[in-house]
Amino acid sequence: ETGVTQSPTHLIKTRGQQVTLRCSSQSGHNTVSWYQQALGQGPQFIFQYYREEENGRGNFPPRFSGLQFPNYSSELNVNALELDDSALYLCASSLADRGLKGETQYFGPGTRLLVL
Amino acid sequence: AQRVTQPEKLLSVFKGAPVELKCNYSYSGSPELFWYVQYSRQRLQLLLRHISRESIKGFTADLNKGETSFHLKKPFAQEEDSAMYYCALSTPGNQFYFGTGTSLTVIP
Repeated sequence: ETGVTQSPTHLIKTRGQQVTLRCSSQSGHNTVSWYQQALGQGPQFIFQYYREEENGRGNFPPRFSGLQFPNYSSELNVNALELDDSALYLCASSLADRGLKGETQYFGPGTRLLVL
Repeated sequence: AQRVTQPEKLLSVFKGAPVELKCNYSYSGSPELFWYVQYSRQRLQLLLRHISRESIKGFTADLNKGETSFHLKKPFAQEEDSAMYYCALSTPGNQFYFGTGTSLTVIP
């Protein structure tokens, strides 16, 4: 059983650019959630994907978008980067049943994004 | 609106002393409450969830709907308990909220 992996580990971008972060979910999991964690803060929920469809979204603007693929891996895309987007981006996978209750989430190591 | 509040950013206790990490939440429906822990240089991981009513590594947490609290407790702290602890809430609509975390240090 492989755990959640994320790539890249670190990334530096400039304001206005676009970025794509990737996440491979744990084997057998069908749900992926993305979080933004600024320094000294708790994770902030961006959105969740269940079986390739967005299944819940936090208070983030539309320039934060995502995808989930048939193998349940996922991408987080951020357009028009702003300085405040600098943060650790965490991906978490889980196995949700049809009721989509709060199943245990397994977190990846994160991607640290710096926007200059 | 802040859904999950952890009032203590830092908490230090002596080994063998009781420890309580506070968590209050704001949600009118039926949330699920969790405690996550992050040990040094490790990933964030689930410690316990209220629905399972388990005791993990000697920690327990009781959901008090009247006080909207979900405090984490352990009767005798160990050095290996030193970590960052996050209280989290999930809603029936699949929204997730984490608190800002409490850094626990257990002094030998």
